[in-house]
Amino acid sequence: DIQMTQSPSTLSASVGDRVTITCRASQSISFWLAWYQQKPGKAPKLLIYKASSLETGVPSRFSGSGSGTEFTLTISSLQPDDFATYYCQQYNTYSWTFGQGTKVDIK
Amino acid sequence: QGQLVQSGAEVKKPGASVKVSCKVSGYTLSEISMHWVRQAPGKGLEWMGTSDPEDGETIFAQKFEGRVTMTEDTSTDTAYMELSTLRSEDTAVYFCASARGNDGFDIWGQGTMVTVSS
Repeated sequence: DIQMTQSPSTLSASVGDRVTITCRASQSISFWLAWYQQKPGKAPKLLIYKASSLETGVPSRFSGSGSGTEFTLTISSLQPDDFATYYCQQYNTYSWTFGQGTKVDIK
Repeated sequence: QGQLVQSGAEVKKPGASVKVSCKVSGYTLSEISMHWVRQAPGKGLEWMGTSDPEDGETIFAQKFEGRVTMTEDTSTDTAYMELSTLRSEDTAVYFCASARGNDGFDIWGQGTMVTVSS
């Protein structure tokens, strides 16, 4: 099974900061990677799919990049609504795996 | 706008089974692949499996093989996930989520809390 490793596990930041979260796959997954945002007590929300495609309705301050085994999610200017936990997810050969999550909290 | 509405919370004893439903509205089951994801209290997301109503194929994460069944009723656009031989470690919120092709899980149900306790 492909393992997904996110870093950091927790990130403390301030409103207006540029934030980057990294996700590494244990083997190449091409560009089959998605990013989700989850707030406490809520279902996850799709932000990015196919590594860099922005889901409809998601603010443009969110962006994704990478291919192969290394991927990043960037929030260009952190807003109060962005404090949440973020998960990467890979798809490869009929198998889906999530990273362990990165919690973004207020510094 | 599509929506997934799940059945309500369940409390089960160890060894029992639970069946969670997920009703699709705003589109049809035949247009999507339905996935099931769970989240134990304070933990991350765990993919369980998926079913494709077009060809009836189901694919499960290895740890759930033999314990999970996923079915669909296309006449009511409702998907079901049944987990058997429950143990305390199965206490979690169970989500259904739909996907069109490989473009991520774009619509999620509200989650169903399943508590396994003697």
